Amino acid sequence: KAGVTQTPRYLIKTRGQQVTLSCSPISGHRSVSWYQQTPGQGLQFLFEYFSETQRNKGNFPGRFSGRQFSNSRSEMNVSTLELGDSALYLCASSLYQGIQPQHFGDGTRLSIL
Amino acid sequence: GDSVTQMEGPVTLSEEAFLTINCTYTATGYPSLFWYVQYPGEGLQLLLKATKADDKGSNKGFEATYRKETTSFHLEKGSVQVSDSAVYFCALSDQNNAGNMLTFGGGTRLMVKP
Repeated sequence: KAGVTQTPRYLIKTRGQQVTLSCSPISGHRSVSWYQQTPGQGLQFLFEYFSETQRNKGNFPGRFSGRQFSNSRSEMNVSTLELGDSALYLCASSLYQGIQPQHFGDGTRLSIL
Repeated sequence: GDSVTQMEGPVTLSEEAFLTINCTYTATGYPSLFWYVQYPGEGLQLLLKATKADDKGSNKGFEATYRKETTSFHLEKGSVQVSDSAVYFCALSDQNNAGNMLTFGGGTRLMVKP
């Protein structure tokens, strides 16, 4: 059974650009959550999607957005990139909303120049 | 709000030593508790979990007991191996949240020397 797949694995952007990251959950999983990992702030929750609807949102500015498609695949978008957005972005999936545990992908490493 | 506090690392041990990584939490509801492990260049892997007070989670020789009275979930292993070198994260999921949001501790890096 394939795990959570995140693409791309590495990304380099410059300030002011925008970026889209993709996450394919484990087959049959319908809930997808996103986390940002940085050395300074650690692991922080961004948002959660279930049945194509955002169910929960962390304390991030509106530049961070996401969506989920009918096949449960999810994308997150960051607009007007800032140096501080450099991080490892992790996606996690679970069967349903509110059901643990979550299974994590290997992440997308985003570097802002 | 919910929070998780872990002992700061790095923790450096010799192979076959006993490991304890402390974790305490603050939550308004009745959380489930987790330990995740992260190896270099990878995402998080669930190590073990406990969903209610006095539950003991165990996996691959690691154990942790959900202690409601001390709001703790300390990770232990009797004999560590070099392959256990990684970063360990304690996390909670608050049932009142009704979602899947995990609140993580800051992580503890474990280095095991041969």
